[in-house]
Amino acid sequence: GAVVSQHPSWVICKSGTSVKIECRSLDFQATTMFWYRQFPKQSLMLMATSNEGSKATYEQGVEKDKFLINHASLTLSTLTVTSAHPEDSSFYICSATDRGGDEQFFGPGTRLTVL
Amino acid sequence: AQSVTQPDIHITVSEGASLELRCNYSYGATPYLFWYVQSPGQGLQLLLKYFSGDTLVQGIKGFEAEFKRSQSSFNLRKPSVHWSDAAEYFCAGGYNKLIFGAGTRLAVHP
Repeated sequence: GAVVSQHPSWVICKSGTSVKIECRSLDFQATTMFWYRQFPKQSLMLMATSNEGSKATYEQGVEKDKFLINHASLTLSTLTVTSAHPEDSSFYICSATDRGGDEQFFGPGTRLTVL
Repeated sequence: AQSVTQPDIHITVSEGASLELRCNYSYGATPYLFWYVQSPGQGLQLLLKYFSGDTLVQGIKGFEAEFKRSQSSFNLRKPSVHWSDAAEYFCAGGYNKLIFGAGTRLAVHP
């Protein structure tokens, strides 16, 4: 149980284009989802927290107009990187909690490369 | 400010040797504490977690961790390391939002 999937697992795009990453909870209802970014050989940095049906809460320094987060249902959250640039290249990981909220279940990550 | 610190960036041990990875936290109150392992290019796998109660926590793959309030520590241990344990290990703390340590990269010599 408590499986989280991400799609795609990797994506390459041209600079200036937008990329959408999906995060799904497969066997539970995710009341809260989190989006992290991990640069090579670095730790995970929380980008934003989203609750189903509400606007996402972004961490300081994260551009909300660049990283659009939609948590439209209890099983799906999407992260859209708009007008991507090479410096946005990173490993993006989502996680989700159920109603108990004590533990985050992590997705396998999406590697984004912007050329 | 809340923080999680992993003092060791890189550790190398011989296969069969014991292992201890350090983690210290700084919070107003004792947070929930977690240890995760990450293989290259992969997501995070939960090894173990501490919410309250018994301070010695058993996890998967033969790992355990001990919570010490007096030292604000939650060190991860394994009595005998296997070559397949080579990976990046992250300590994390928090309640709803998690703060991750910088990670410790473990290399295992045959």
